[in-house]
Amino acid sequence: DSGVTQTPKHLITATGQRVTLRCSPRSGDLSVYWYQQSLDQGLQFLIQYYNGEERAKGNILERFSAQQFPDLHSELNLSSLELGDSALYFCASSPGDSPNEAFFGQGTRLTVV
Amino acid sequence: AQSVTQPDIHITVSEGASLELRCNYSYGATPYLFWYVQSPGQGLQLLLKYFSGDTLVQGIKGFEAEFKRSQSSFNLRKPSVHWSDAAEYFCAVGLSFGAGTTVTVRA
Repeated sequence: DSGVTQTPKHLITATGQRVTLRCSPRSGDLSVYWYQQSLDQGLQFLIQYYNGEERAKGNILERFSAQQFPDLHSELNLSSLELGDSALYFCASSPGDSPNEAFFGQGTRLTVV
Repeated sequence: AQSVTQPDIHITVSEGASLELRCNYSYGATPYLFWYVQSPGQGLQLLLKYFSGDTLVQGIKGFEAEFKRSQSSFNLRKPSVHWSDAAEYFCAVGLSFGAGTTVTVRA
């Protein structure tokens, strides 16, 4: 158990819909990272938040957004969902603002039908 | 920009044999380098990391990796593979991950 909690574990939704994925980092970790893992794209870094502020941005679509709340949990919002958004979404956390000891959650498997 | 290449998509190794997974990176400064392992249906677990200092780093589960700046490589090794090592292995530089190498262990 990495200490990073992601909910829900599985999500099935229809095209055009909006979903929210939630991540609770390890106790004391200030950074949260979001990744998308798909068969064709591999593991893609989406975005990082550090202590409530956006710190780094990767290949995140405009239809996707994220935020980190004062209690340090984070949410990834995916809207206008397309079939191609079906993937495993991972959250990771680390103590500081660099991924020198990033711990990953179990992921949320999103299926868009 | 950072990039990571794992040249081998799939490796099959016999139980008890040695294993080496290749990783090449592109990065201007001294990189933060990582190896992660992912078992089916699981998240990623950190095996080892390199930031500076001794270029041979020891990790968990008997793995080690060697940083070679001249070759821009950070290869992962294990002297004797166990059946439980069958998994997918990812090399990472900073926030960028390689495509992964799937390891199959045959009896």
